[in-house]
Amino acid sequence: AQSVTQPDIHITVSEGASLELRCNYSYGATPYLFWYVQSPGQGLQLLLKYFSGDTLVQGIKGFEAEFKRSQSSFNLRKPSVHWSDAAEYFCAVEDTGFQKLVFGTGTRLLVSP
Amino acid sequence: GAVVSQHPSWVICKSGTSVKIECRSLDFQATTMFWYRQFPKQSLMLMATSNEGSKATYEQGVEKDKFLINHASLTLSTLTVTSAHPEDSSFYICSAPAGGRGDTQYFGPGTRLTVL
Repeated sequence: AQSVTQPDIHITVSEGASLELRCNYSYGATPYLFWYVQSPGQGLQLLLKYFSGDTLVQGIKGFEAEFKRSQSSFNLRKPSVHWSDAAEYFCAVEDTGFQKLVFGTGTRLLVSP
Repeated sequence: GAVVSQHPSWVICKSGTSVKIECRSLDFQATTMFWYRQFPKQSLMLMATSNEGSKATYEQGVEKDKFLINHASLTLSTLTVTSAHPEDSSFYICSAPAGGRGDTQYFGPGTRLTVL
């Protein structure tokens, strides 16, 4: 069965510093991978997705993610974090043929001044 | 982008009563919608797949008779929590894919259910 692991429950980053959120997946075939952000009172918003092609994917709000098959990873990065980036971030993999998403446990990002 | 709405955004009910939550795709049609449940500070767990014009598909361990799903039109799916109990208190979120596999899924803002 597919699974997604986000090893970091909380991460605190200073504003302006770089960010990397880790995501590891377990999937038998080529995965469809996603990063979503959840802010209080708002629905999950898609940051970026990967299913083929260039392994470095650019998303919205200055985020990017790199797919590494050898490491079964899809880490999210941002070169300079803004206070407004504080939120919960979820990595997800899509179940084959069913469009169902399997989510990781999430990483809460805190941004310090 | 596409918008998915949920109503109500929050609801408080007494134990034993039933609560209906609506999920609407506002500017696109969705033959499939998904219902998730999220406990505080935890991940989203898929409860069921709502299929327009046919029965919903439930994930293992989800009680079909407790969580009734109806997908009556291409823009509306409803989740009814029947005979709700305090342990059903949670955050319920729906989503709808805009297209086929790999296409963006659009999420509703969620419904906070509190059962007293």
